[in-house]
Amino acid sequence: EDQVTQSPEALRLQEGESSSLNCSYTVSGLRGLFWYRQDPGKGPEFLFTLYSAGEEKEKERLKATLTKKESFLHITAPKPEDSATYLCAVQAKTSYDKVIFGPGTSLSVIP
Amino acid sequence: DAGVTQSPTHLIKTRGQQVTLRCSPKSGHDTVSWYQQALGQGPQFIFQYYEEEERQRGNFPDRFSGHQFPNYSSELNVNALLLGDSALYLCASSLVDGNTIYFGEGSWLTVV
Repeated sequence: EDQVTQSPEALRLQEGESSSLNCSYTVSGLRGLFWYRQDPGKGPEFLFTLYSAGEEKEKERLKATLTKKESFLHITAPKPEDSATYLCAVQAKTSYDKVIFGPGTSLSVIP
Repeated sequence: DAGVTQSPTHLIKTRGQQVTLRCSPKSGHDTVSWYQQALGQGPQFIFQYYEEEERQRGNFPDRFSGHQFPNYSSELNVNALLLGDSALYLCASSLVDGNTIYFGEGSWLTVV
């Protein structure tokens, strides 16, 4: 069964303290892996799509990487405005209409 | 360029009632998916519509139904509401077979 897990469940960082969020997945042929940011009470905001192992994408202080079983979202020198829940999701080649989400990592960046 | 828009933003219904939620996809997108997100959890796939047909369905009962109109907008209907249906309902749009999926701000449904 296709599945996505994320760790840690919650992460508290000091402003400027870099860290990484983990997304582990099992899927019957990966078509794409997505990262989204979600602020409280809002819909998910698209960040990245990764397609194959070894691929990396960057946006401001965020960098997403992909292996055959995991993806990491690296946050460099975070700011308080980076506080949000970060969601990872996968799309399988055999069932690409359906996107399977993980439970998310809640990130708090303290000034 | 308008993104994905959903209505209403918040609503309260009584157990056993029926609800209809509406979604207009991002301009140029032809595929609409619906997700349910309970508090503290990731979104769960309900179903997807393309060319006015349901393409795929997640593990949701038949009380959840949908429709897509010729202008690509969509509705989600939930019958015989249960307390457990209380959640944020998200609409997402994309191009068919597209890899970038955009979400609306959601409709908060509370069942009392």
